Amino acid sequence: GAVVSQHPSWVICKSGTSVKIECRSLDFQATTMFWYRQFPKQSLMLMATSNEGSKATYEQGVEKDKFLINHASLTLSTLTVTSAHPEDSSFYICSARVYEDQPQHFGDGTRLSIL
Amino acid sequence: ILNVEQSPQSLHVQEGDSTNFTCSFPSSNFYALHWYRWETAKSPEALFVMTLNGDEKKKGRISATLNTKEGYSYLYIKGSQPEDSATYLCASDNYGQNFVFGPGTRLSVLP
Repeated sequence: GAVVSQHPSWVICKSGTSVKIECRSLDFQATTMFWYRQFPKQSLMLMATSNEGSKATYEQGVEKDKFLINHASLTLSTLTVTSAHPEDSSFYICSARVYEDQPQHFGDGTRLSIL
Repeated sequence: ILNVEQSPQSLHVQEGDSTNFTCSFPSSNFYALHWYRWETAKSPEALFVMTLNGDEKKKGRISATLNTKEGYSYLYIKGSQPEDSATYLCASDNYGQNFVFGPGTRLSVLP
C-alpha cells in the first residue's frame, strides 16, 4: 500500500520549454503533497507544500511563478517548471501524506535536464 | 532555515556488525522527526515518525530513539546485512519550518 507514482522519470528539453511533472497517490487519498528538489551531492530541499483545493505554500527562495503547483484532487498534484533554463536542471521528487505525524510516501523522482 | 545534521556522512561495516548513526535537529518548536531509507534507483522509504521525547521505535533489526530536549535521534541497525546498504535520511518537522532533511548517512554493508 501507499504507492506514489511520479511521471515522467526523465525529461530532456530545450531552454524556454515548460515542463509538467505529475505526482499521483495510487492507493490512498493524500491531503498533503510535497515537492522537493535535490542538487548533486546535497540533501532533499523542500520547495513547496500543497493541500488539496488550496494554494501551495512555497518555501523561502522558491519562485512561485517559476514553479507552478496545482493540487486539484486528493490523488494528483502537478509541478510545472515554466520557461525552464539550464539552472533548473535538477532531480525533483514528490511525496504524499494522509495526515500530519504520518510518514510521507515518495515517488521515484524526475530527473530534469535543460539544454 | 533550520539546520539538520547527520553523522557520519558515510559508513562501511561488515555483514553481521551492528551500527548506529546520529541525526541532530533543532529542538525549538519541534513537532516530529522522520527517518527514511533511500536505496539507489528507488524512492525513499519511510522507516519511523517520532514525536515524543524518549520515544523508541523498532522495525525488524532497525530501531530509533528520540531526544527532543537536546535535539538528537539515533538510528540503530542490528546485525547489518548487505541489503541494508542505502542512504539513511532524517527530516525534522518543526512548527514554522516544514521538513528540513539532513544530508544523509550512506551505509555500505560488505559481505
